[in-house]
Amino acid sequence: AQSVTQPDIHITVSEGASLELRCNYSYGATPYLFWYVQSPGQGLQLLLKYFSGDTLVQGIKGFEAEFKRSQSSFNLRKPSVHWSDAAEYFCAVAPGSSASKIIFGSGTRLSIRP
Amino acid sequence: NAGVTQTPKFQVLKTGQSMTLQCAQDMNHEYMSWYRQDPGMGLRLIHYSVGAGITDQGEVPNGYNVSRSTTEDFPLRLLSAAPSQTSVYFCASRATGLAGGGDTQYFGPGTRLTVL
Repeated sequence: AQSVTQPDIHITVSEGASLELRCNYSYGATPYLFWYVQSPGQGLQLLLKYFSGDTLVQGIKGFEAEFKRSQSSFNLRKPSVHWSDAAEYFCAVAPGSSASKIIFGSGTRLSIRP
Repeated sequence: NAGVTQTPKFQVLKTGQSMTLQCAQDMNHEYMSWYRQDPGMGLRLIHYSVGAGITDQGEVPNGYNVSRSTTEDFPLRLLSAAPSQTSVYFCASRATGLAGGGDTQYFGPGTRLTVL
């Protein structure tokens, strides 16, 4: 079955520390991959996306993500987090360019330690 | 552009009542979707539409109906509300298929629904 897994429910990091949020997918071919962020009480905002080409993609707010086909992963990273990065992060997948649906993972809540 | 708008923002229903969550977009997007968000479960796709007159089921369609009579509007109907439908509901739209540049999905602000 097709699926998107975010294995970490909640992560806490210190301000200024590096961050990596994990995302694994299960699809037959290379899917379209996304990371979204949701601040408390807000809707979702697109951070970055990967369709093809360079497997390291840059997004907004200093985030980047790396697509690794061999590991079926699309992990989100940031070299130095800020208190304003506290939010919930969602990985999302669309199974191919003709896909009508975008499926979301269960999310990872990020807390920042002062 | 107003983007994606949803009404109401908050709603409380009693079990068995019916209601319609409204969603509208002014970006002339073909694709529209409804998601529900529950703690620990992320966003789950309820129904989606790839154009006026075309709808399909997502991951959790039971208990919900949709229609798409115009490009702009995509209402979600709860025919007989149940406590299990207590959730936050998000509507989203995007321009076209992913390969055609419709890769950015725009979300509405959400509707918080409580069913007693």
